[in-house]
Amino acid sequence: KAGVTQTPRYLIKTRGQQVTLSCSPISGHRSVSWYQQTPGQGLQFLFEYFSETQRNKGNFPGRFSGRQFSNSRSEMNVSTLELGDSALYLCASSSTSSSPLHFGNGTRLTVT
Amino acid sequence: GDSVTQMEGPVTLSEEAFLTINCTYTATGYPSLFWYVQYPGEGLQLLLKATKADDKGSNKGFEATYRKETTSFHLEKGSVQVSDSAVYFCALPNAGGTSYGKLTFGQGTILTVHP
Repeated sequence: KAGVTQTPRYLIKTRGQQVTLSCSPISGHRSVSWYQQTPGQGLQFLFEYFSETQRNKGNFPGRFSGRQFSNSRSEMNVSTLELGDSALYLCASSSTSSSPLHFGNGTRLTVT
Repeated sequence: GDSVTQMEGPVTLSEEAFLTINCTYTATGYPSLFWYVQYPGEGLQLLLKATKADDKGSNKGFEATYRKETTSFHLEKGSVQVSDSAVYFCALPNAGGTSYGKLTFGQGTILTVHP
């Protein structure tokens, strides 16, 4: 079974631009979560989606948004990028909300 | 709010040494507890979990016991290998504990094992 796939693996953007990251969950998984990982703040929760509905949202500004499609694939968008948005963005999926998460290898975003 | 505290790292050991990484938590009730591992350049992998007090999770020689009296979930391995070098994260579901999609993670402990 293929794991969680995140694209692209690496991304370089300029301050003020926007970016869209993509996540394909494990086949059959309907729950998708996103996390931001930085050396200073560690792992921080961004969003959780289940069957196209946002179940939970972390404490991030409105520039961070996400969505989930009917095939469970998910995207997250960051608008008006800031230098502090440079991070590894991790997507994770699970079959139900009470099943452990399976993580992808992440998208490394660098904002210059 | 819920929180997880891991021992300060990094931890450097020689192969076959004994490993302990401390994890304590603050939460309402008795949430499930997890240990995740992150190898260089990869995402996180679930290492083990415990869903109730006194549960012992185990996997790949690693063990952790859910101690509600001390609100702890310390990770142990009797004999580490070079291949165990990674970052280890303790985690729990956020308030209410009903969704594993929203986890609070500890700050991570970097483990380096030398031959």
